[in-house]
Amino acid sequence: AQSVSQHNHHVILSEAASLELGCNYSYGGTVNLFWYVQYPGQHLQLLLKYFSGDPLVKGIKGFEAEFIKSKFSFNLRKPSVQWSDTAEYFCAFSVSSNTGKLIFGQGTTLQVKP
Amino acid sequence: EAEVAQSPRYKITEKSQAVAFWCDPISGHATLYWYRQILGQGPELLVQFQDESVVDDSQLPKDRFSAERLKGVDSTLKIQPAELGDSAMYLCASSLGGSHGAFFGQGTRLTVV
Repeated sequence: AQSVSQHNHHVILSEAASLELGCNYSYGGTVNLFWYVQYPGQHLQLLLKYFSGDPLVKGIKGFEAEFIKSKFSFNLRKPSVQWSDTAEYFCAFSVSSNTGKLIFGQGTTLQVKP
Repeated sequence: EAEVAQSPRYKITEKSQAVAFWCDPISGHATLYWYRQILGQGPELLVQFQDESVVDDSQLPKDRFSAERLKGVDSTLKIQPAELGDSAMYLCASSLGGSHGAFFGQGTRLTVV
């Protein structure tokens, strides 16, 4: 079955610490990959996406993610987090040849302490 | 910036009552999705429209849920009768399709009592 696994359910970091959130997907074919963020009280927003080309993609607010096809992974990184990065982060994918339906992981709650 | 509009933001309903949610996607987006998000989990697709046609409703509990997008623009999701287990956030999203990803609305928080 198509699924997404996010390894960390709850992460607590101090400001300026580096962040890496793990994401693995289950599908053998070509996929589009996404990270969404949900700040407290706000709607889901697209942070970054990968669909082809350079496997290292950069998104908004200094986030980046690397697609490693051999590991079915799409980990999210940020070199130095800020208190304003406190949010819930969702990894998702869609099958490239399909309807665009997004399959989400269960999310990771990031808490950044000032 | 264009947004996906949803209403109402919050809805409390009694078990066995009918409830409806409305969504207006971003103009020009042919693809519209309804997702359900239970607390602590990621969103799960209920139904997907391409224009006015349903392209995926495999996870929609069709005995009680229905969805329509009559003119290929706005959409309504209905639950009748509501059950306690339907308490969740109902998210609408729209997309240009494929690799573009989806843009989400604020959602409707449903509580069934």
